[in-house]
Amino acid sequence: SQQGEEDPQALSIQEGENATMNCSYKTSINNLQWYRQNSGRGLVHLILIRSNEREKHSGRLRVTLDTSKKSSSLLITASRAADTASYFCATDDPHQGGSQGNLIFGKGTKLSVKP
Amino acid sequence: NAGVTQTPKFQVLKTGQSMTLQCAQDMNHEYMSWYRQDPGMGLRLIHYSVGAGITDQGEVPNGYNVSRSTTEDFPLRLLSAAPSQTSVYFCASTEGRINTGELFFGEGSRLTVL
Repeated sequence: SQQGEEDPQALSIQEGENATMNCSYKTSINNLQWYRQNSGRGLVHLILIRSNEREKHSGRLRVTLDTSKKSSSLLITASRAADTASYFCATDDPHQGGSQGNLIFGKGTKLSVKP
Repeated sequence: NAGVTQTPKFQVLKTGQSMTLQCAQDMNHEYMSWYRQDPGMGLRLIHYSVGAGITDQGEVPNGYNVSRSTTEDFPLRLLSAAPSQTSVYFCASTEGRINTGELFFGEGSRLTVL
């Protein structure tokens, strides 16, 4: 049961440019998270934004959340070759019973930053 | 601080064989989970645990078994391996309730079933 869907599937940019990735989801959420995965590695948490927040910053990352449109975007400014990775959004499923809520991941955006 | 450690990193099995993927975390996290990652499918939750002695099924539990006898360890057992279980498996943990905290992932276990 896919909740989040990233767009585009793949993105190729030059170093120094900004990269924008979008995530759409289907049901109401408590929070939305973004993760990065370098090739052959595990996922690393980048940022969490709660449903009552509209924008959040962390270094060169800027995340926005529009709950009315059920969408989020991740902006990486002044990209570097080291930003080359896959980026995933993940949403909690508030409809799970008790405290056993799960994180549901999208299929990811593959970002390539060329030096 | 090791974080989440998965072993083995690579494994090749024949159809019908059984094996256990090991996962250990040293952060005293209550919540642990197993995901599988397949091309074009993202990550899908197999099983999870909210504490020692408590496990539950995720989205794709068939063919897998888990147990949680200690806070630190959460092994994933493949009972009778099938080619459809060829995948990359990730173990993850978090301190609090899963829907309020970040997940810490291991480096993955790459399994091929022939």
